[in-house]
Formats: sequence, structure tokens, C-alpha cells
Amino acid sequence: SQKIEQNSEALNIQEGKTATLTCNYTNYSPAYLQWYRQDPGRGPVFLLLIRENEKEKRKERLKVTFDTTLKQSLFHITASQPADSATYLCALEKGSGTYKYIFGTGTRLKVLA
Amino acid sequence: SQTIHQWPATLVQPVGSPLSLECTVEGTSNPNLYWYRQAAGRGLQLLFYSVGIGQISSEVPQNLSASRPQDRQFILSSKKLLLSDSGFYLCAWSATQAGTYNEQFFGPGTRLTVL
Repeated sequence: SQKIEQNSEALNIQEGKTATLTCNYTNYSPAYLQWYRQDPGRGPVFLLLIRENEKEKRKERLKVTFDTTLKQSLFHITASQPADSATYLCALEKGSGTYKYIFGTGTRLKVLA
Repeated sequence: SQTIHQWPATLVQPVGSPLSLECTVEGTSNPNLYWYRQAAGRGLQLLFYSVGIGQISSEVPQNLSASRPQDRQFILSSKKLLLSDSGFYLCAWSATQAGTYNEQFFGPGTRLTVL
């Protein structure tokens, strides 16, 4: 079955540095992959979507890459700020057109001032 | 604009009691609807999803059921709660236009504690 793995350990970085989070998946070739942000006690909020034919996607200080050979997506936050502290989740559709999604466990990011 | 509502925000229930969580969506029609559970320190687990009124798909066998009595209403129920049903329950919706890769929009969640 499809599986998504994210580094479950928290990532602490200094303000102003670039944070890089990893999402690996197995047993599947998704057409696209999504990234969400989740703050404590809140529902996830959609950030970015990258399609299988896109190597890179940017939105303001966010950048996502998608390597279908490595079965990996990297999520970067440049010039990180304490307000970026949250848990970041990646998600993919279980099967094309199924509308069913599986999520990684998320990586908790803490940006230190 | 679209909004999604969930209630209650928090709930403490004894083991063996029934459960009903409600989710409604405004500002869109014929959405896909989802119920997820997030246990402490764990990822989101898809429980149910629905692509239309009365159409419910269950992802994991469990003590819960779901219903969609109206286009934009999704209800999660249980006849008898178990301790293991404790968690953070999230409702979400996504659009259904063919050929688009649709993000999910999540509600504020319900924190359920079964004692």
C-alpha cells in the first residue's frame, strides 16, 4: 500500500535561515503532491501543490520540489521567521481520481528568534 | 467565499455513550466531503469520504459511521464510544471539477475525549 514518510523529529532552525523538510513516498506514482501547514489545535491549511511534470514550484518564500525518480518532495522556507513555526504535512492522492488522500505524520518546525 | 463549520469544538464523553459530530459547508455545491481523525502525535487518518448525497465510503473498519443527508452536510456518528475513539476529528471539503488537482479545506476540528 502507499506510504508517506516525513521526518517525525522536530526541526529547529535560526531565524533567517532556510528550512528544508522532506517527504518520501513508496509504492505509488502520484500525479501530484500537496503540502499543508497545521498549527496546534487547528485544521491543516493548504500551502502548495506540485504536479508530477513540475520539478519546482514557488510561492513567496516557499519552494517545493518533486523528484519522481527518488519518490521525494522537498519543502523549503527561505528567510524563515518565528511565525513559520508549525507542523508541515505532505499529502498525496491514493489513486488517480479517487479523491482519497493520505497524509504524512508531519514535521514540526520551530524557528528560533 | 466558502466556509466550513464543525461543532462542537470540544467534547468529553463517557465510554459507551453515542456520538454525533456535524460538519457543514457554505458557498459551494456538490463538494467532496471527508472525515479525518488525528490521534495525539500522529498523522491524519482518513475515516470516511463522500462524493455525493448518500454516498459514503469507509476507509477503515471501526466503531464509527458517517452520513450525508444533504449536499453540504456531513455527520460522523457512533452508537457506543470506545476509549480508542479519542482524538481530534477534522472535516474537510474539496471541489469536484474534473481535471483539477483540488486542495482540501479543513474545518476547525472537534477535540473528543472519551473517558
